[in-house]
Amino acid sequence: AQTIHQWPVAEIKAVGSPLSLGCTIKGKSSPNLYWYWQATGGTLQQLFYSITVGQVESVVQLNLSASRPKDDQFILSTEKLLLSHSGFYLCAAGGGGGQNTLYFGAGTRLSVL
Amino acid sequence: GDSVTQTEGLVTLTEGLPVMLNCTYQTIYSNPFLFWYVQHLNESPRLLLKSFTDNKRTEHQGFHATLHKSSSSFHLQKSSAQLSDSALYYCALSDQNYAQGLTFGLGTRVSVFP
Repeated sequence: AQTIHQWPVAEIKAVGSPLSLGCTIKGKSSPNLYWYWQATGGTLQQLFYSITVGQVESVVQLNLSASRPKDDQFILSTEKLLLSHSGFYLCAAGGGGGQNTLYFGAGTRLSVL
Repeated sequence: GDSVTQTEGLVTLTEGLPVMLNCTYQTIYSNPFLFWYVQHLNESPRLLLKSFTDNKRTEHQGFHATLHKSSSSFHLQKSSAQLSDSALYYCALSDQNYAQGLTFGLGTRVSVFP
C-alpha cells in the first residue's frame, strides 16, 4: 500500500519569508503527483501536477512553484510568502488504470502572519 | 472543460434521518470515473466511493451512490445519518486526461445534530 508523507505538519511564517513544503510517496512507482490548497473553510484548489520526474505543470498562479526532483518526491515552494498563502496544503498521488483515484497526504497547515 | 456541480453548500439534519447529497457533472468523455471524497475536520480528504459503471449501485460504509450517465448524476445517499458523518463531502470527476487530476465540486458541508 502506498503511503504519502508530508512535511512539516504545520508552519507559522512571516510575510515575505521563504517556504518549502515537501511530500514523499512510498509504495508506488512513477505516481502522478498533485499539490492542492484549501483556504480555511474553503474548497480544494489544484495548484500543480506532475506525471514524471523533472516535469511540473501549473494549474493556477498563486506566486508558488513546484518541483519534482525524484520520482517519489514533490516540493512546493516560494521565495516570498503572502498573507493569502495561509491555508491547508495537500499532496496527493494517483495514477494507473485510467481512473486516477487520488490519495491524499495528511497535509501541512500554514499560517502566514 | 469538465465541471462538477454540488448544489448544496450546507446540509443540516438530525441524527437518524436520511441524507442525500447532489452531484451532477459535465464532460464530453463518454466513460468518466466519478468519486466521492469525505473530509473530516482537520483531516485530509479520504476516498469514500467511486464508480464508472452506468446504473450500478456502489456502497461503502453505509453510503451509496449510482452513476447515471443519462442524467450525468452521481448522488450520494445514506439511509440514517450519524453524528460522525458530519464532514465536508466532495464529488469529483476523472476523464480521459486523468493524469491532470480530478475535477472537484465545491463541496457540501454536512452537519448532523442529535
